[in-house]
Amino acid sequence: DSGVTQTPKHLITATGQRVTLRCSPRSGDLSVYWYQQSLDQGLQFLIQYYNGEERAKGNILERFSAQQFPDLHSELNLSSLELGDSALYFCASSVERGLNTGELFFGEGSRLTVL
Amino acid sequence: AQKVTQAQTEISVVEKEDVTLDCVYETRDTTYYLFWYKQPPSGELVFLIRRNSFDEQNEISGRYSWNFQKSTSSFNFTITASQVVDSAVYFCALNQAGTALIFGKGTTLSVSS
Repeated sequence: DSGVTQTPKHLITATGQRVTLRCSPRSGDLSVYWYQQSLDQGLQFLIQYYNGEERAKGNILERFSAQQFPDLHSELNLSSLELGDSALYFCASSVERGLNTGELFFGEGSRLTVL
Repeated sequence: AQKVTQAQTEISVVEKEDVTLDCVYETRDTTYYLFWYKQPPSGELVFLIRRNSFDEQNEISGRYSWNFQKSTSSFNFTITASQVVDSAVYFCALNQAGTALIFGKGTTLSVSS
């Protein structure tokens, strides 16, 4: 158990819909990262937050957004869903701020299926 | 730009065989960190090792060992006497200043009994 909690574990929805994925980082970790894992793209970095502020952006679509709340949990919002958004979405946390020199602790992922 | 290449998409071995997973990286920075993660069939990502660019010493942890060679930009991972429980997808990853962790495409290892 990494200490990172993600909900829901599985989600099935239709094209055009909007979903929210939630992540609670390990106790004491200030950084939260979101990754998307799909068969064709592999593990892609989406976005990082540190103590409530956005720190780095990766290949995140404009239809996607995220935020980190004062209690440090984070939410990833996916809207106008397309079939290609079906993937496993991972949240990870770490203590470090910018340069992630330490290990990332990953949650078990949220598997999104768009029909 | 940084990049991680795991040329081996899939490897199949029989139990007790040794297996090496290759990882080649690209970066222009002199300070960077390399990682290996394991993703078993259950799906979670498990941290295995971290190496910084100034430490080329090889590391051994039980049946696992890692060979870091800056001259060839490689960070290979060897499992000795493989076991069925080693079956998983293994990811090599790279991190440098100001960027998030970048992963390779992964190598799927299947160990049969």
